[in-house]
Amino acid sequence: GIQVEQSPPDLILQEGANSTLRCNFSDSVNNLQWFHQNPWGQLINLFYIPSGTKQNGRLSATTVATERYSLLYISSSQTTDSGVYFCAVRNQAGTALIFGKGTTLSVSS
Amino acid sequence: NAGVTQTPKFQVLKTGQSMTLQCAQDMNHEYMSWYRQDPGMGLRLIHYSVGAGITDQGEVPNGYNVSRSTTEDFPLRLLSAAPSQTSVYFCASSYVTGASYEQYFGPGTRLTVT
Repeated sequence: GIQVEQSPPDLILQEGANSTLRCNFSDSVNNLQWFHQNPWGQLINLFYIPSGTKQNGRLSATTVATERYSLLYISSSQTTDSGVYFCAVRNQAGTALIFGKGTTLSVSS
Repeated sequence: NAGVTQTPKFQVLKTGQSMTLQCAQDMNHEYMSWYRQDPGMGLRLIHYSVGAGITDQGEVPNGYNVSRSTTEDFPLRLLSAAPSQTSVYFCASSYVTGASYEQYFGPGTRLTVT
């Protein structure tokens, strides 16, 4: 099946710093989502981005499907950005998502 | 819209007990799924459904049953709880059209089996 790998596994930032999270996947996909799991455990949709670039405030994402990777950019990080960031791709049967193991981000003031 | 709702939020079971985790969505999504989240493992798919009356197994289905009698509801049953089933359980529903597949999660149920 499709493998999803995220890097780095952990990231520690000072408030105001920028960061890039990476998601590699092993096969061609036509769906990719980024989620943020906040410290209370909620999974929040950030981006649905099968290809191209999207921006939402300080966050943006780019997926290059032909090269099998996606990047999540966080600019001017804030303590509220802390949590775990997951990327997920649709499985080959098209019935559910396969998740990477996540990047744990800690932003300190 | 309430989105995806799950009950209960927390549950403690003794080994061997059974219970049902409830999941409901009001977005008229055909696809629904259950995941479990364990430390360092990400989210792993337990069971999924592509419509009322249609379910199938995911990556880690052993010890769990599901049914889908309506579009809205997708309960997950633990038949005989084991400590290995201590986890956080997330239900999700997905908007699917053509190649597009966008998933939304419920708030989760934290289950402890002693």
